[in-house]
Amino acid sequence: EVQLVESGGGLVKPGGSLRLSCATSGFNFATHSMNWVRQAPGKGLEWVSSSSWNTDDKYYADSVRGRFTISRDNANNSLYLQMNSLRGDDTALYFCARSDSGGSHRAFDVWGQGTMVTVSS
Amino acid sequence: SYVLTQPPSVSVAPGQTATITCGGNNIGSKSVHWYQHKPGQAPILVIRYDTDRPSGIPDRFSGSNSGKVATLTVSRLEPGDEADFYCQVWDSNTHLWVFGGGTKLTVL
Repeated sequence: EVQLVESGGGLVKPGGSLRLSCATSGFNFATHSMNWVRQAPGKGLEWVSSSSWNTDDKYYADSVRGRFTISRDNANNSLYLQMNSLRGDDTALYFCARSDSGGSHRAFDVWGQGTMVTVSS
Repeated sequence: SYVLTQPPSVSVAPGQTATITCGGNNIGSKSVHWYQHKPGQAPILVIRYDTDRPSGIPDRFSGSNSGKVATLTVSRLEPGDEADFYCQVWDSNTHLWVFGGGTKLTVL
């Protein structure tokens, strides 16, 4: 069974940092692009970042570029999101999502349950 | 930046057909994906590449895309179909993924 399990969320002060992790199992992680998507309370889905299978291609939403960094460890089947200079509008449920192949713009066919990030003083 | 426009809400009676639109400039030239999202659950891909239904998705879900509008159709509506639905495209000009604002489907 394909599984994505996010962790690392929590309460952080404005200007602080967090590192989210997404542990995966049940598929060949190294052959799929991976993504982060977030949902602020009461709002819709917002794409955050994507990484191709080999990390050659990394993309970021304008709202996080320069503050967030996506990375992956293919040997350990894990995806990460380093979040720095956090702001109140980064408060959201963060989802990890698999692309349906290794290309850079493929549909997100499997999602995790999400990890909550709250930025507040 | 590329914008996708969805109606905030659609309400339809059980057994009937719901149509959810996603408007965008020349969206017919892009591949559109649709996701169903229920509160407290992981989103589910219900239609990919305009019309393709992933394994396990009922054939009551279908999609189309032409010109300025992509459409998700859910036929023979069931109470369990109530959810938020989002369209998504890849904007090759900006190298950004774009989600529509979401449509809340209510089964009356």
